[in-house]
Order: sequence, then structure tokens, then C-alpha cells
Amino acid sequence: DIQMTQSPSTLSASVGDRVTITCRTSQSISSWLAWYQQKPGTAPKLLIYKASTLESGVPSRFSGSGSGTEFTLSISSLQPDDFATYFCQQYKPYSPYTFGPGTKLEIK
Amino acid sequence: QMQLQESGPGLVKPSETLSLTCTVSGGSISDYQWSWIRQPPGKGLEWIGYIYDSGSTTFNPSLKSRVTISVDTSKNQFSLRLTSVTAADTAVYYCASWKAAAGFDPWGQGTLVTVSS
Repeated sequence: DIQMTQSPSTLSASVGDRVTITCRTSQSISSWLAWYQQKPGTAPKLLIYKASTLESGVPSRFSGSGSGTEFTLSISSLQPDDFATYFCQQYKPYSPYTFGPGTKLEIK
Repeated sequence: QMQLQESGPGLVKPSETLSLTCTVSGGSISDYQWSWIRQPPGKGLEWIGYIYDSGSTTFNPSLKSRVTISVDTSKNQFSLRLTSVTAADTAVYYCASWKAAAGFDPWGQGTLVTVSS
């Protein structure tokens, strides 16, 4: 299986800040990576797929980049609604899907 | 707009079988790949497996020996069976649709299944 790590595990930030979350995979996955946002008690919400393609309806302050084994999710100007947990997920063809352990974005 | 809804018992005894059903509305089950994903309380997400309308399945190797996923196209439903459950199987179980090469969307609201005697 492809192993995934995310850093940091917890991130404290303020409204208006720019933040970046990193996701790394144990082997190259090209651009087969998605990012999700999850709020307590709710299902994850798809934000980005193919590493950098913004899902329809997702605010443009979210962006994704990377390829191979290192990826980032950035939020350009944090809004109150953005405080949540973020997961990356790889979907390399012919490999089981796996998720990163998550990054909790907290209000400073 | 497609919606998914999980249903099934919220409490299962150790060593017994967990059974859940996902009902798809607002779309045809024949058009996509359908997955089960779980999340233990306070922890991360674990993909369990997926099925196509043809019945073709793929499972997480760590769960493969205990998992069955089936589909009923006449009811627009797919189902999960997990055998020989233990407390480690306590989790919120989600069903989700896989958009080809584009992520899981939408998801069901999730259902908490507790394994306890």
C-alpha cells in the first residue's frame, strides 16, 4: 500500500492568514491526489482533485499543487468557515485508495 | 443532485457481522464506482472497498478477508458486510461515489456503528 503523511498534524492560524498543508506519499503517484475538508460530525467535502483542480463551488482561496510524492494545499486568506480538518487521499491506478492522517486547522 | 444515505444497525456484538446499506437517490447506480469508507471516533479515514454496477469489486487488503460488498441495481442500493467484528471496527461508516479520477463526491452523512456486547 501507498503510505501517506501530512504535516503539520495541527496548525493554529488566524483569520486572514495564508496557510499551507503538506502531504507526502511513500511512492510516486503522479498527480493522483485529492484534498478534503471535514468539519465535526459531517462527512468530508471534496475540495481539490488531480492535485490542483478545484472542485466546482469551492472558493478560489483554496489551491493545490505538487506531483510525484509531495503535495500542498494552500488557503490564501483564512475565513472563519475554513477551520476544520483536512485530509489528502491518493488514487494511483491499480493501488488501494489511502488517506493521509489529517491536519487539524485551529483558530489561534 | 445525487444523494447517498446509509442505513443499518448502530450496535453490533463482537464476533458478529456488520451489515449496512447505502441508498442512492437523484442518480443511477449504474453510472459510477461506489465505495465504503470508515472513520473510527477521533481518527482518520480508511477506505474499505468499492463496487461497480456489474458487481466487480476491489477491497482494502487489510480488510479483504472479512469484507463483502454487493449491489442491487433494481433498488439503487449497495451494501457492506463485515464479518467477525471487534471493538476496532467501531467507526462512522460512510458510503461515497467515486468521480472518475476526481475524488469521492458525494458522500452519505455517515452512520456510527458501535461494536459492543
